[in-house]
Amino acid sequence: QVQLVESGGGLVKPGGSLRLSCAASGFTFSDYYMSWIRQAPGKGLEWVSYISSSGSTIYYADSVKGRFTISRDNAKNSLYLQMNSLRAEDTAVYYCARWDYDILGNSAFDPWGQGTLVTVSS
Amino acid sequence: EIVLTQSPGTLSLSPGERATLSCRASQSVSSSYLAWYQQKPGQAPRLLIYGASSRATGIPDRFSGSGSGTDFTLTISRLEPEDFAVYYCQQYGSSPPRLTFGGGTKVEIK
Repeated sequence: QVQLVESGGGLVKPGGSLRLSCAASGFTFSDYYMSWIRQAPGKGLEWVSYISSSGSTIYYADSVKGRFTISRDNAKNSLYLQMNSLRAEDTAVYYCARWDYDILGNSAFDPWGQGTLVTVSS
Repeated sequence: EIVLTQSPGTLSLSPGERATLSCRASQSVSSSYLAWYQQKPGQAPRLLIYGASSRATGIPDRFSGSGSGTDFTLTISRLEPEDFAVYYCQQYGSSPPRLTFGGGTKVEIK
């Protein structure tokens, strides 16, 4: 079945770095745009970044631009998020999600991984 | 940047009642890129509705979506115990390319 599994979360000091990974299975990974979305504790959802199927097109939310880098390895069916210069406000559960679409062009995030918690604290 | 405003913030209803959730956009949104998600405590969000009105695979027909332009609605015709959760709307805009989520509506048991 279609599955996304994140890893790499943990506790990091302000100013530190962390790299998240998302392993995809059950579908042709190289056919799909992918995205990272985060959720601070007790808060709503915030889109972080997305990357096109080939990796040639990338966009970031203003809140992470210049600090985070999204990438993918289609040979390994994996999505990554390199997070540098981390701040307390980056503390959140980070989800990877597939940007799915149908033949009419309707699109949405489906499925989502289970998430990985990143805590930025001294 | 398009802002999505969901209302009400919390909806207190009993099982069997009808729930009507609103999502209002600060400017017109393409219906193709308007989606609704359900999130239960400790779980990842789950896609319910995409293209403003199409149910995702496996979603019961008590869930329906409608609307266009700046006003969208998620309706749950008869609440089941498992429907008490938080619901988010989400849109994609291409100029500039950005995805945004509404603040969420919590549907709680009255």
